[in-house]
Amino acid sequence: QKEVEQNSGPLSVPEGAIASLNCTYSDRGSQSFFWYRQYSGKSPELIMSIYSNGDKEDGRFTAQLNKASQYVSLLIRDSQPSDSATYLCAVKSGGSNYKLTFGKGTLLTVNP
Amino acid sequence: GAGVSQTPSNKVTEKGKYVELRCDPISGHTALYWYRQSLGQGPEFLIYFQGTGAADDSGLPNDRFFAVRPEGSVSTLKIQRTERGDSAVYLCASSLEASARAQYFGPGTRLTVL
Repeated sequence: QKEVEQNSGPLSVPEGAIASLNCTYSDRGSQSFFWYRQYSGKSPELIMSIYSNGDKEDGRFTAQLNKASQYVSLLIRDSQPSDSATYLCAVKSGGSNYKLTFGKGTLLTVNP
Repeated sequence: GAGVSQTPSNKVTEKGKYVELRCDPISGHTALYWYRQSLGQGPEFLIYFQGTGAADDSGLPNDRFFAVRPEGSVSTLKIQRTERGDSAVYLCASSLEASARAQYFGPGTRLTVL
């Protein structure tokens, strides 16, 4: 079983809609969770981090964490064409306070 | 301030050759990481430095891969006897310290082994 799983997509939403990206992880001891955005041919860019159960909002982005279900999600409100990218979920497992384990990423396309 | 920088941005080499990839972390960041990203995959951890020492090299695929950080700043990833399967984007990241919550990635080096 892969440690961090994401639906590879592509996920296609119309401009202005809410995009919902999901991620599950296998290590119940994981403590830190991150969403990175990666444009084609570019490096990952950190957009959200979350450490405790519940929601964390930053502008149009909301990260949601449910440790009991081992599930983390990213909502993007009012999606824009410029949000079109691959979104990578990354987890620091309980046994390491430094190593990020990434999912394969979900390709999001926002259609004008 | 300046972010993580990596050189070269692209490297094309022939099978069996030796390559060196360089990473210059954000100034003041003591923790440095190397990841490798293959097409369609997320980055995979290779090695982590805290200061000058490699604290965890468990992600290095085999003994053809080696990395150094002699002065606790710039790091070099070295690959001997390259193979076609080594072709990937090699990403470097740094953070203030190992337990710091954010790792910041450089632009990567795209390695192509012919």
